[in-house]
Amino acid sequence: NAGVTQTPKFQVLKTGQSMTLQCAQDMNHEYMSWYRQDPGMGLRLIHYSVGAGITDQGEVPNGYNVSRSTTEDFPLRLLSAAPSQTSVYFCASRSPGGLRTEAFFGQGTRLTVV
Amino acid sequence: GQQLNQSPQSMFIQEGEDVSMNCTSSSIFNTWLWYKQDPGEGPVLLIALYKAGELTSNGRLTAQFGITRKDSFLNISASIPSDVGIYFCAGQLGAGKLIFGQGTTLQVKP
Repeated sequence: NAGVTQTPKFQVLKTGQSMTLQCAQDMNHEYMSWYRQDPGMGLRLIHYSVGAGITDQGEVPNGYNVSRSTTEDFPLRLLSAAPSQTSVYFCASRSPGGLRTEAFFGQGTRLTVV
Repeated sequence: GQQLNQSPQSMFIQEGEDVSMNCTSSSIFNTWLWYKQDPGEGPVLLIALYKAGELTSNGRLTAQFGITRKDSFLNISASIPSDVGIYFCAGQLGAGKLIFGQGTTLQVKP
């Protein structure tokens, strides 16, 4: 029972480097989303997807790209990392079956940009 | 954009005490959720509220969906050390999107 799996758990990047945060879910959920968590600010939505081939921007999308080629995977790409992107990133998935379905979160990726 | 204001920011209480935290919004939500986050983990759903005025319990936890659909509270009764963590309220939008409050950090002294 893997649920939502995020890799890596920790990452240190230099300013300007690019990287991809991986997210995979094995629950056949159509909805997937990425959040970043910063102290005192809760979780903020970066990008989300309602199904394979469909993505849209959330509250804080700048500096991030996403794609959804399969139902299972929803990678988040940092094109040119900046210190302001130092944060903890969470991926979540949910079944679209009405409002009464629960979102499941991964364990997070702690990213430091130096 | 939509914002949720959660208070208090942090609480330090004695084991056995009751705890109350609340969330208000300038927007209406049709679903309010309460999550708990343990250190190094992702948020886990505690209680979901789907109707204005709804009062729902989950063990020692009780949450209510405000009549105006713009607020919610969470109560924890008889706190225990494992209640320690960060509690988030969240409003659910379409397409699986969630808007989170800033979180309430709870510390429990044995």
